[in-house]
Amino acid sequence: AQKVTQAQTEISVVEKEDVTLDCVYETRDTTYYLFWYKQPPSGELVFLIRRNSFDEQNEISGRYSWNFQKSTSSFNFTITASQVVDSAVYFCALAENSGGYQKVTFGIGTKLQVIP
Amino acid sequence: NAGVMQNPRHLVRRRGQEARLRCSPMKGHSHVYWYRQLPEEGLKFMVYLQKENIIDESGMPKERFSAEFPKEGPSILRIQQVVRGDSAAYFCASSPNAGTGGRDEQFFGPGTRLTVL
Repeated sequence: AQKVTQAQTEISVVEKEDVTLDCVYETRDTTYYLFWYKQPPSGELVFLIRRNSFDEQNEISGRYSWNFQKSTSSFNFTITASQVVDSAVYFCALAENSGGYQKVTFGIGTKLQVIP
Repeated sequence: NAGVMQNPRHLVRRRGQEARLRCSPMKGHSHVYWYRQLPEEGLKFMVYLQKENIIDESGMPKERFSAEFPKEGPSILRIQQVVRGDSAAYFCASSPNAGTGGRDEQFFGPGTRLTVL
């Protein structure tokens, strides 16, 4: 069965600090997708990134970067020079094939608070 | 192309009433998924539907909950005789195809926040 673990339930950082959110996953599939979503206080889910299991290249998008390591089944997310607007709950998710369709499993989320 | 739409965004019900949550998938999408997010928790899969068919309802409580996706109109998640424990955010997602290995990404709606008094 697939599983996503976000061990950090809450993190507080001071503005401009860098912060890394950890995500460890379990799956028996060789083909799968990993995601990060942001959920601001307003409650909607904001898609941040999707990465397939065959692409281990790290990705950078502005202040955001992602480190995918298959050897440790981790897909960590780093925010550089954090800002107050980054305060939100961040979810890591795993999608794998389940009887011909994708089934998405979410982690419990990491609540990030950026203090001005 | 409008995104996934859900209504209402907020719904308040008293214990014992019925709650109906609607989801209009993105244009061209024929696959709908419902997820529930209990307070302080991640999203949990409830049910997956294609037009007029329930494909997987393994995550849906056996009693009081039902879902449909008719040929015409939105998908409906129906909760009968609501209880306080049903208070949660209910998210709908849609995809153009079922995909394998997650090739067809699910696009999420803004969610419906159900409060049971």
